[in-house]
Amino acid sequence: NAGVMQNPRHLVRRRGQEARLRCSPMKGHSHVYWYRQLPEEGLKFMVYLQKENIIDESGMPKERFSAEFPKEGPSILRIQQVVRGDSAAYFCASSPLNPGQETQYFGPGTRLLVL
Amino acid sequence: AQSVTQLGSHVSVSEGALVLLRCNYSSSVPPYLFWYVQYPNQGLQLLLKYTSAATLVKGINGFEAEFKKSETSFHLTKPSAHMSDAAEYFCAVILKGTGRRALTFGSGTRLQVQP
Repeated sequence: NAGVMQNPRHLVRRRGQEARLRCSPMKGHSHVYWYRQLPEEGLKFMVYLQKENIIDESGMPKERFSAEFPKEGPSILRIQQVVRGDSAAYFCASSPLNPGQETQYFGPGTRLLVL
Repeated sequence: AQSVTQLGSHVSVSEGALVLLRCNYSSSVPPYLFWYVQYPNQGLQLLLKYTSAATLVKGINGFEAEFKKSETSFHLTKPSAHMSDAAEYFCAVILKGTGRRALTFGSGTRLQVQP
């Protein structure tokens, strides 16, 4: 059973470019979460999605960041007009639909470097 | 508001010695509690979780944690450290009854194992 897949694993962008990070949840999981790990900081929640719905985006920066989880295909975290402060590791996690199944399983992360 | 405190950003033990990593939570209702491990440049791997069943929880790689409501603690232990245990460890919570599913992480504890 394949785990959570993220690609690319490493992404280099210049200031002002767009970054697209992809996440495919574990088979049978319909909940996706995005977290950011800034250098020397802990992990911070960004957004929680189900298929075609954003459930909780309380951790998303108000500008330049967006996320989607379409009916078909992976979840996408999109960062427009990247700045150096966006350099971080971005982790995706997934969990099953069943109530009470709170455990989140993490992917390997995408490490974004903004030059 | 819920929060998680990990005492000690760095812990160093000798190989074969007891490992004790501390985690305290702040919540009027006992939350779901998790310990994750992160090896360098990798994602997070679930070590164990507490979801209101047994208060002593056994996880992978010989780790266990005990939920103590009176102390609002969920400390992680391992009787005998191995060199391969060197990694960063994160305690995390999900508050029950709010409908929120986002993990709130502690700041992490980096474990060093000396030969």
